Amino acid sequence: DTEVTQTPKHLVMGMTNKKSLKCEQHMGHRAMYWYKQKAKKPPELMFVYSYEKLSINESVPSRFSPECPNSSLLNLHLHALQPEDSALYLCASSQDRASGNPDTQYFGPGTRLTVL
Amino acid sequence: GEDVEQSLFLSVREGDSSVINCTYTDSSSTYLYWYKQEPGAGLQLLTYIFSNMDMKQDQRLTVLLNKKDKHLSLRIADTQTGDSAIYFCAGRDDKIIFGKGTRLHILP
Repeated sequence: DTEVTQTPKHLVMGMTNKKSLKCEQHMGHRAMYWYKQKAKKPPELMFVYSYEKLSINESVPSRFSPECPNSSLLNLHLHALQPEDSALYLCASSQDRASGNPDTQYFGPGTRLTVL
Repeated sequence: GEDVEQSLFLSVREGDSSVINCTYTDSSSTYLYWYKQEPGAGLQLLTYIFSNMDMKQDQRLTVLLNKKDKHLSLRIADTQTGDSAIYFCAGRDDKIIFGKGTRLHILP
């Protein structure tokens, strides 16, 4: 199983809503990532979890709150978002981030988020 | 930190070879990657190359690495319509840094 799944595929929310994006992998990977991708742009790293601990936060606004309940699951909680936060949110996982490893990341299909 | 540059657009006839080029700035990147993204989909890792290698071949894909010039290329032999996608070059510093992506368009 080399699949990373993400739910929902599409999400439309208002600026006052609270919602969550979910990501799951069963490859035994110990590193998981959230990326944000705007149209015609490369993915931008938001957060990295390594062994269920937050290891990188790329100065993401606090209206985005990640959570890693266990080694297979990664959530992104959304609250009070702005229209400019509309984007494709990609989850990825890799075996681990030990130096010397290729850190080959497997990506999910993404959640397309629209903030009204 | 790492900076990765690539041309934004490439148009190739079906059956010809496609060559997508990329330059990077940080010679300490130990791995360099090529990812493919089809419309509406996530990224798919195509291949990666370790920095002490010059070339890696995998079926229709050939990756060439020129460390002196910090230049990476991806050659796709016998390009098919299914190869139409955006191709991202990426380097790894502490984290993976993606180039802006090259949109490959296949002409009939």
